[in-house]
Amino acid sequence: SYVLTQPPSVSVAPGETATITCGGNNIGSKSVHWYQQRPGQAPIVIMFYDTDRPSGIPERFSGSNSGNTATLTISRVEAGDEADYSCQVWDSSSDQAVFGGGTKLTVL
Amino acid sequence: QVQLLESGPGLVRPSQTLSLTCIVSGDSVSSGNFCWSWIRQPAGKGLEWIGRFCNTGSTTYSPSLKSRVTISRDTSMNLFSLNLMSVTAADTAVYYCARERVDSAIVSRPSYFHYYYMAVWGKGTTVTVSS
Repeated sequence: SYVLTQPPSVSVAPGETATITCGGNNIGSKSVHWYQQRPGQAPIVIMFYDTDRPSGIPERFSGSNSGNTATLTISRVEAGDEADYSCQVWDSSSDQAVFGGGTKLTVL
Repeated sequence: QVQLLESGPGLVRPSQTLSLTCIVSGDSVSSGNFCWSWIRQPAGKGLEWIGRFCNTGSTTYSPSLKSRVTISRDTSMNLFSLNLMSVTAADTAVYYCARERVDSAIVSRPSYFHYYYMAVWGKGTTVTVSS
């Protein structure tokens, strides 16, 4: 089945920019969604269709998707952004939703 | 505003059937172009999609769980359910229910069912498989 690869961890200082990648074979041809999961909480969607933000998600969060890599970018990182971030696509060959392994964002 | 709440036993014996329900409030489980899905997360690990029931009537399961899983909807009770048979310790996880949606602009595409995403999640319920 389709595999999504994320770095296990990303660290960034407050105010800096965090970049979280999601690698997959020709992922640019798929629609990528991103979920944020704070410790002890359920995930919430923070980006869908590669670049669309749900209402209530700050403009500091942005997404892109091309080639073999989708990217979630968080500008002006705040302490409250510390969480696990997971990407997700639909794998049409195996007919299922697939998640990346998740990336733990640490704000230094 | 739709809310989802998982319910079910926190402990299941090995080889038995894990049964969970997701109570839907704030909207009807049978209205709209939505799918109702289950996702699980073992402690310290990533999310795993289990399957979904769509209001079109179609049901899709993860190939790795397909032989053991049933997801169904109860419109009279406004809930949907997960049954997972023959459980082992590997099925121990936090189980989430979610409502998947698709943008109305995409519904006209032939493969629109590829574009659903999990827009609303329940809080999750922990299930432990142990004797």
